[in-house]
Amino acid sequence: DTAVSQTPKYLVTQMGNDKSIKCEQNLGHDTMYWYKQDSKKFLKIMFSYNNKELIINETVPNRFSPKSPDKAHLNLHINSLELGDSAVYFCASSQFGGYSGGELFFGEGSRLTVL
Amino acid sequence: AQSVTQLDSQVPVFEEAPVELRCNYSSSVSVYLFWYVQYPNQGLQLLLKYLSGSTLVKGINGFEAEFNKSQTSFHLRKPSVHISDTAEYFCAVSVVSGNTGKLIFGQGTTLQVKP
Repeated sequence: DTAVSQTPKYLVTQMGNDKSIKCEQNLGHDTMYWYKQDSKKFLKIMFSYNNKELIINETVPNRFSPKSPDKAHLNLHINSLELGDSAVYFCASSQFGGYSGGELFFGEGSRLTVL
Repeated sequence: AQSVTQLDSQVPVFEEAPVELRCNYSSSVSVYLFWYVQYPNQGLQLLLKYLSGSTLVKGINGFEAEFNKSQTSFHLRKPSVHISDTAEYFCAVSVVSGNTGKLIFGQGTTLQVKP
């Protein structure tokens, strides 16, 4: 079983369209994230949910809207896609507290290409 | 604010040679430090982590890192690299707040192992 799974793995779409990426984790973690990796491989946190509650929103445009229906799922919806949204989007999960130190478990990534 | 700087964007090295990938962090509180590896077109996987205790940390695939508090560094080393070690390597610091937190990543170092 894949611990953190994302769908779709590849997404090619036109500017102005709306698209969604889904993420599921079966690790029993309370916290889930969306990270964006740009063309220079830089990883930047976008959002974090802790047990369905949004706790981190890192100055991401309003066109990006995360949703967490339960603590095992985190989706990302993007409206009015722009060329600059082309990137790899990674979902991750973590269980803070205890001795984990906040280790993140990552999905395989969803490569979004906006034409 | 906590941050991470990876001092080399690319490190070319010949197979079976030793390698060191450098990472410095800034933090005003206790730190948890991580090294992740990303193979081409894949997600990130944990190489090793420092939470507390011994400053020399051993990870998977023969990698190790040394936590140096006075120099605020967490350099990654391997005594003899293989072609299969060619990948992107990320240093990260954990920012914990209560029962949740996030990882802040460095810019990444591309390790290119040549035959």
